[in-house]
Amino acid sequence: AQSVTQLGSHVSVSEGALVLLRCNYSSSVPPYLFWYVQYPNQGLQLLLKYTSAATLVKGINGFEAEFKKSETSFHLTKPSAHMSDAAEYFCAVSEQAGTALIFGKGTTLSVSS
Amino acid sequence: DADVTQTPRNRITKTGKRIMLECSQTKGHDRMYWYRQDPGLGLQLIYYSFDVKDINKGEISDGYSVSRQAQAKFSLSLESAIPNQTALYFCATSGGSYEQFFGPGTRLTVL
Repeated sequence: AQSVTQLGSHVSVSEGALVLLRCNYSSSVPPYLFWYVQYPNQGLQLLLKYTSAATLVKGINGFEAEFKKSETSFHLTKPSAHMSDAAEYFCAVSEQAGTALIFGKGTTLSVSS
Repeated sequence: DADVTQTPRNRITKTGKRIMLECSQTKGHDRMYWYRQDPGLGLQLIYYSFDVKDINKGEISDGYSVSRQAQAKFSLSLESAIPNQTALYFCATSGGSYEQFFGPGTRLTVL
């Protein structure tokens, strides 16, 4: 069965600092992996996705993630945090295109000036 | 205009009442989903539909029912609402590719 674990329900960084949000998954087949962002009082927006092409995936707003099969990880990074990055971030996995997503419990990112 | 719309955006109801949440999409996608979001729990799948004649239960379907009225419309019903169904509800669509597109959500409070 698929599952997603996001380490750290809350991450705090200073503006300009590195952002690292951790995601580990379990899947019986090569997975498709996603990061979504949810800004306050809004729906979910796709940041980036891994679908078995390049292992380093670049997304919107300067975010990127690297798929590491040996570590079953798909951590999200951004070199320099901005105040507007404050939001909740969700990692999700799917074993087949078009099937339902399995979500992690989310990580809230706070950015201080 | 938004590709995936949900109505109402906010709803307060009482225990035992029947309530329907509606979702419409203009993306032309066959696949539609209902998720529930609770603080600290992420999103959990309630029901999903791969086409008008195909309805499937998700991991937390008890207490909920759905109707796929057309390719573009997928409604979620709570037959007799209870307080622990207070949550944020999201509809999503997919065209069979990997990405799902989410609506803005419905905040439901059951008193």
